Amino acid sequence: QVQLQESGPGLVRPSETLSLTCAVSDNSISSPYYWAWIRQSPGKGLEWIAIIYYSGTTYYSPSLKSRGTISFDMSKKHISLRLTSVTATDTALYYCARGRGPVFDSWGQGTLVTVSS
Amino acid sequence: EIVLTQSPATLSVSPGERATLSCRASQSVSINVAWYQHKPGQAPRLLISGASTRATGLPARFSGSGSGTDFTLTISSVQSEDFAVYYCQQYNDWPPLTFGGGTKVEIK
Repeated sequence: QVQLQESGPGLVRPSETLSLTCAVSDNSISSPYYWAWIRQSPGKGLEWIAIIYYSGTTYYSPSLKSRGTISFDMSKKHISLRLTSVTATDTALYYCARGRGPVFDSWGQGTLVTVSS
Repeated sequence: EIVLTQSPATLSVSPGERATLSCRASQSVSINVAWYQHKPGQAPRLLISGASTRATGLPARFSGSGSGTDFTLTISSVQSEDFAVYYCQQYNDWPPLTFGGGTKVEIK
């Protein structure tokens, strides 16, 4: 059973760049899986924000307005998300998830990000 | 973007009762719908994919049905561990992948 562990700064100032990392416990990062970042804003539901396939193909939610970059580092077994020009609306619990298709059967516990000055 | 509307927002049931959760898509998504269970402080859990295929190890009391625009998740006899928020997700026409707003199943 793969384990996914997200990590991030906790607190980010408005207009700065948010960087998150998801550590993958096994070698599935080099297998045909989709890897996604999904977030949950306070009191709201789940929102998909970015996805990367093992081939390197990426897709983003239009809601990011081109502020996001998802990538992976196979040698480190990490999935990363970089989000520029953050605002209070980016405050959320950020989850990393894995799926064979864009259906996610493995999730991390999430990392909380607060955007505040 | 395909919008998923879940109803009801909150469902109050007693243990042992049947729970029926609805997910309606703004346009046809074939059978490309998944359901997740989410408890506070925990990672979401995949329950159903392909509208009706149960995830490995999922108790048989959970079942999914539907196609096109209307989908249902049924818990035949709600157990104490089933009280949670349930989300549907479509993956027929993406990006973007979209989730419904969720249904909270609470103890009556």
